[in-house]
Amino acid sequence: RKEVEQDPGPFNVPEGATVAFNCTYSNSASQSFFWYRQDCRKEPKLLMSVYSSGNEDGRFTAQLNRASQYISLLIRDSKLSDSATYLCVVNAGGGFKTIFGAGTRLFVKA
Amino acid sequence: SQTIHQWPATLVQPVGSPLSLECTVEGTSNPNLYWYRQAAGRGLQLLFYSVGIGQISSEVPQNLSASRPQDRQFILSSKKLLLSDSGFYLCAWSATRGFGTEAFFGQGTRLTVV
Repeated sequence: RKEVEQDPGPFNVPEGATVAFNCTYSNSASQSFFWYRQDCRKEPKLLMSVYSSGNEDGRFTAQLNRASQYISLLIRDSKLSDSATYLCVVNAGGGFKTIFGAGTRLFVKA
Repeated sequence: SQTIHQWPATLVQPVGSPLSLECTVEGTSNPNLYWYRQAAGRGLQLLFYSVGIGQISSEVPQNLSASRPQDRQFILSSKKLLLSDSGFYLCAWSATRGFGTEAFFGQGTRLTVV
């Protein structure tokens, strides 16, 4: 089993749609969770951290379910500029390595 | 503030030639350091990570190696490149302690082996 698994994608959605990505992780000792965004041919950049209580940043909402070991990202009112690859990221804290999911590609079309 | 530098940005190398990619971090101490590779249209593959000077963990057996001669310097090397080594190589760092230990990436090196 992969340490971090994501929806395979790609997701093709029209502008204005709501889209959700899910991610599962295998290490129950994981402490930090993030969603990154990667544009084509660019390095990944932090989109948002994921907190136990859930958090929202504008059109983006992240949720964490520790019992089931999954993380979700919800994008509301999709924009063309949201087209990118979204990476789920997990870190067990301390000196442990940061693990990236393979990413889910999102295409938002007019 | 912390910054990460990675070079070169692009590289074209013949099969069988050596490789050396360098990454340096400024503004922090004792970071965790990572090398990732991303093949075209694929996800990030963790190649090496390091929690301290001289401490290297390899994730994928291959003809690549990594070294950390200084606290904030991470080098990716190969003695003889293969065609399959082509890809987008990314160096990253994260803090070693505390929560919120997100990783920060360099701008990457796009390697083409011909």
